[in-house]
Amino acid sequence: QVQLVESGGGVVQPGRSLRLSCAASGFTFSSYGMHWVRQVPGKGLEWVAVIWDDGRNEYYTDSVKGRFTISRDNSKNTLYLHMNSLRAEDTALYYCARSHEYGGQWDYLDYWGQGTLVTVSS
Amino acid sequence: SYELTQPPSVSVSPGQTASIPCSGDKLGDRYACWYQQKPGQSPVLVIHHDTKRPSGIPERFSGSTSGNTATLTISGTQAMDEADYYCQAWDSNNQRVFGTGTEVTVL
Repeated sequence: QVQLVESGGGVVQPGRSLRLSCAASGFTFSSYGMHWVRQVPGKGLEWVAVIWDDGRNEYYTDSVKGRFTISRDNSKNTLYLHMNSLRAEDTALYYCARSHEYGGQWDYLDYWGQGTLVTVSS
Repeated sequence: SYELTQPPSVSVSPGQTASIPCSGDKLGDRYACWYQQKPGQSPVLVIHHDTKRPSGIPERFSGSTSGNTATLTISGTQAMDEADYYCQAWDSNNQRVFGTGTEVTVL
């Protein structure tokens, strides 16, 4: 069965960096696009980024462009989110989610992990 | 940036029909999908490509579109359907956008 397990969250000071990981299993990782979605506790969902199956394209929400980088290692079945220059408003539960296809337009997110909590605070 | 608007809350009696609208500019030209999120759990896909129901999702969940509005309908609503529901669509900048979310209460 499809499993997505996020890790790497924690408490970090403003301006510092953090790397999140998402270990995938139960499917051919290299055949699917992958997303990061975040949610402030008690608030709504916010899409963060997507990377295509082979990593050749990646897209971001405006508020993280230039600060966050999504990447993947298909040999390790792992998705990453490199977060730099963190701000208090980046505090959220970060989910990784699988695209139902390669990650292009009209896709949808068919499997989600349990999330990892990032808290940006001094 | 693209925005999708949903009512904050919808109340429904058990066995009745709940309708959750999601409105956005030219939403009818894009595909909408819907996610259910229960407290303390991760979102679950319930509708994709406007009207398609994934395997394992009960038939009481259905989707439709008209003009700039997509609608999730829960027929014969059950207590287990109490949750937050989010619509989502693709933006022309290759971004994805979630709706503001609707809390469904089964009274």
